[in-house]
Amino acid sequence: SAVISQKPSRDICQRGTSLTIQCQVDSQVTMMFWYRQQPGQSLTLIATANQGSEATYESGFVIDKFPISRPNLTFSTLTVSNMSPEDSSIYLCSVDAGQFAYEQYFGPGTRLTVT
Amino acid sequence: DAKTTQPPSMDCAEGRAANLPCNHSTISGNEYVYWYRQIHSQGPQYIIHGLKNNETNEMASLIITEDRKSSTLILPHATLRDTAVYYCIVRANSGYSTLTFGKGTMLLVSP
Repeated sequence: SAVISQKPSRDICQRGTSLTIQCQVDSQVTMMFWYRQQPGQSLTLIATANQGSEATYESGFVIDKFPISRPNLTFSTLTVSNMSPEDSSIYLCSVDAGQFAYEQYFGPGTRLTVT
Repeated sequence: DAKTTQPPSMDCAEGRAANLPCNHSTISGNEYVYWYRQIHSQGPQYIIHGLKNNETNEMASLIITEDRKSSTLILPHATLRDTAVYYCIVRANSGYSTLTFGKGTMLLVSP
């Protein structure tokens, strides 16, 4: 299994500002994923981050709003830019790991509130 | 990826078996059935996955019908800590295909 930590665990931010969320994994992984979970909703994939290449964004998510960095095989950041109250969500990172890389492990999430 | 259908909620008495159904009638031959759960205020947790044979691990058993159009996750002796949202996901194991989460089933285990 993989152990994933995220910073910060929660934050309250003012609209118009940006927040960078960090994701650290205790082992080297090829793929990292960023999800958003809006209040009372299921998880929605934002983007897939592969080390050494540009992140691949899902429909409805753009790089200008959610820039992602993947500088090495154990770390990634997601920035939520020019925030509005609609960005209030839990943001989770995950990795493919396990014996055959078929299992996906999730971090504890970052709870973001935008006022 | 194929879509899945799950009941929105289920109840189970502590110590009894919890049987969570999932329909995935459009599943393709190379797609696996995955189960995850999300306990309140935590990230999702992998439970089990299978292709066509029944699978069992320390957490649960997965029963997949012969036509693969539906499956059942079984928690043999549910505890209060099993209260969570359970997600049934169909995913191809080719390359690094992503997980598409539906609404899941909210399982409430009561004393």
